[in-house]
Formats: sequence, structure tokens, C-alpha cells
Amino acid sequence: DAKTTQPNSMESNEEEPVHLPCNHSTISGTDYIHWYRQLPSQGPEYVIHGLTSNVNNRMASLAIAEDRKSSTLILHRATLRDAAVYYCILIKRGGADGLTFGKGTHLIIQP
Amino acid sequence: GAGVSQSPSNKVTEKGKDVELRCDPISGHTALYWYRQSLGQGLEFLIYFQGNSAPDKSGLPSDRFSAERTGGSVSTLTIQRTQQEDSAVYLCASSWTSGQTQYFGPGTRLLVL
Repeated sequence: DAKTTQPNSMESNEEEPVHLPCNHSTISGTDYIHWYRQLPSQGPEYVIHGLTSNVNNRMASLAIAEDRKSSTLILHRATLRDAAVYYCILIKRGGADGLTFGKGTHLIIQP
Repeated sequence: GAGVSQSPSNKVTEKGKDVELRCDPISGHTALYWYRQSLGQGLEFLIYFQGNSAPDKSGLPSDRFSAERTGGSVSTLTIQRTQQEDSAVYLCASSWTSGQTQYFGPGTRLLVL
């Protein structure tokens, strides 16, 4: 399976934008880039996903590099409730494997 | 609409007892997954169901673990003769079909004394 690489932790201030990077240099053409997050004592929560084009939803934006070897999750205005571990994973369309979450990025939001 | 639900939310049991954990997937989702997450660790895939097909049991850690899915909907994960190392959060997820976005339930926190 194609792996992803993320920084262990990042810190940001409340109400400022946050850019969370992810490298996936071995991504294949059928891999979708998914982002999940896990708040303390909760199950993982789907955030956003994309294939080639940038994507926006009510939670975040996803910027995908032209060569698809990296992507960035953008939280436009971080709140304290956004403090969580953010996971970038690749899911092959039609694939039947369970998800493999790495260590993710621990996002700390300062008030 | 309703998300994935799991019960119980917490379970404390004694070593050697059997436990059953339940998962209700999102209505219409054909794929269902079980994972477990030990304290401070990542997700460990356990088992996967797609519709009425035979499940992929490749992630089950031992033969004490089993799961079934009745009528293509509700699933039960059973752990027989529990051990202290089984203590973890057991998470269930579902998706429309395999390879699509998975939506997770809140998990069942299992503590084996």
C-alpha cells in the first residue's frame, strides 16, 4: 500500500489558518487522498477527500499538488475544537482493505 | 441522518469472560469494518464485511475473536476468553461499498481486569 508521511505535530493560534502537509510520493492513479481526524476520546471523523482537483467542504479545503505526490489540508480559521490528530491516508477506489492510519499530525491550537 | 452506532459504549469485564460488541452501520452501507485502537496507538484493522460475501478475517489477532453480520446490516464482534491485552477501544466503520469513505462509530471502550 502507498504510504503517507506527516509531521508529528503542529501548533497554531486560534482563528488563524492552518496548513497540514502530507507527502505521498508513491501514490497510484487509483488512490484517493482522504483526511480523517480524531478528537480526544472519539472515533475517527471523516474530513475531506479528493483525487486530482482541489476540494472544498464546510470543514476544510484540500489542495492537491499537480503531480499528486503531496497534499495539504487547510483549516481556514482554526478553533479550539479543531485540536485533534489529523490523518492523511490513501484509499484505492474499489479496494477492500481496512484503513491503515499512521501516527498522523497532532494539531495543537493555542487560544 | 443517523451515523454509525455502537454498544455498549463502555464494557468492563473479568479475564476469561466472553464479550459481545455491537455495531449498527449507516443504513444502506454495504461495507462494514471492525478496528481496535490501543491507548496511544494507531488503528488496527480486524475484519471487513462486504454485503453478503464471506468476510475478510485477515486482521483478527487470534481465534478468540470472531464476528458476524446478520442480514447485511448489524454486526457483532465476539471476544472469547478475554485477556488483559484485549483492552482497547473497538471501532466500527461503514461505507457505501468497499474502497469508499468510511464513517466511524464512537467506539466501545473495553477494559479487561
